[in-house]
Amino acid sequence: TQLLEQSPQFLSIQEGENLTVYCNSSSVFSSLQWYRQEPGEGPVLLVTVVTGGEVKKLKRLTFQFGDARKDSSLHITAAQPGDTGLYLCAGVEETSGSRLTFGEGTQLTVNP
Amino acid sequence: ETGVTQSPTHLIKTRGQQVTLRCSSQSGHNTVSWYQQALGQGPQFIFQYYREEENGRGNFPPRFSGLQFPNYSSELNVNALELDDSALYLCASTRGGGRAWNEQFFGPGTRLTVL
Repeated sequence: TQLLEQSPQFLSIQEGENLTVYCNSSSVFSSLQWYRQEPGEGPVLLVTVVTGGEVKKLKRLTFQFGDARKDSSLHITAAQPGDTGLYLCAGVEETSGSRLTFGEGTQLTVNP
Repeated sequence: ETGVTQSPTHLIKTRGQQVTLRCSSQSGHNTVSWYQQALGQGPQFIFQYYREEENGRGNFPPRFSGLQFPNYSSELNVNALELDDSALYLCASTRGGGRAWNEQFFGPGTRLTVL
């Protein structure tokens, strides 16, 4: 059973559209991180959220941590082809030190 | 500041062989974690090393072992390779002994293929 459920698994949209990726769990996390990964490369950290209800913005990307620290979302406004990639959420459980538990990822394709 | 580096980039082995993968942590980072990422899946935690000691282990058999050296670089060793061991192996470093809020920075990975 996947501890972190990420949806959707695949998303193909046109340039300029908006999208939201969800990351849900029944577990409480001390922190949650979002990564973007290109083929054949390691994940690159986009943001870390720590406080329940926290919202962080990174240009056209908005990240939200649920009030109960069990879920998170990533919203992209006016997607561009350069946003194409695998988006991964990863949580740190309260009792696991810094061990990251990853979702299965959302493969985003933005078509010009 | 030098980022996380891993070697080799790609590796092909046959079933039953042994493999050693290497990781150099980012400057100032004393904690290294290893992850296995099968094709189309998210990374799975293998283990973490802090100050040369294993500091947490995921659901992987004992034939997956590791080392951390005084300069905080690390090795991942896999014995008796199986076909299912084919994956991208990622190393991540952080500072502070693995506190929950410390950000982890990943290397580019080693792509292992077992034939």
